[in-house]
Amino acid sequence: KQEVTQIPAALSVPEGENLVLNCSFTDSAIYNLQWFRQDPGKGLTSLLLIQSSQREQTSGRLNASLDKSSGRSTLYIAASQPGDSATYLCAVNQAGTALIFGKGTTLSVSS
Amino acid sequence: EAEVAQSPRYKITEKSQAVAFWCDPISGHATLYWYRQILGQGPELLVQFQDESVVDDSQLPKDRFSAERLKGVDSTLKIQPAELGDSAMYLCASSTDREELFFGEGSRLTVL
Repeated sequence: KQEVTQIPAALSVPEGENLVLNCSFTDSAIYNLQWFRQDPGKGLTSLLLIQSSQREQTSGRLNASLDKSSGRSTLYIAASQPGDSATYLCAVNQAGTALIFGKGTTLSVSS
Repeated sequence: EAEVAQSPRYKITEKSQAVAFWCDPISGHATLYWYRQILGQGPELLVQFQDESVVDDSQLPKDRFSAERLKGVDSTLKIQPAELGDSAMYLCASSTDREELFFGEGSRLTVL
């Protein structure tokens, strides 16, 4: 059974720092890996989708990498801002199946 | 920009009552998902539809939960009777052909 783990569970950084969020999964036979952002009491916002044949995706200050063989992904946030404060969730699936989520990393960026 | 619509945003009910949530996916998305998220946890799948057919409802507590997507477009998730442990955020999502998921704002249920 696929399990997704996110470390750390919480992270506090000062504004301007670059940071890395980690995601690991137990079954490397994935189809997609997707990173989401969730603000308190809100739904999930898709940040980046990495398909199994890809190694990384970039969007603005965000860069996500995927290493299927080791069962790991990282989300890199450059020059963090207070508006980046949120919970970041990682999820994976196999073809035709629903995403399985980690518990998330709660990020706090102080000004 | 197209969005997944959900209602109601908030629902407070007493245990043993019935409650229903509605979801309208992004137009053209054939796959629809209902997830439940308990505070501090990641979302967990309740049911997955492909058009009007159920693909996966293995984690749906079928003694009290039901879900339908009769015309393959919008969907309803029902709980009857509600229990205290059902208090959670109920999230609906739909996906593109390449299986990228887009979520609605969710429906927050509180059972008293």
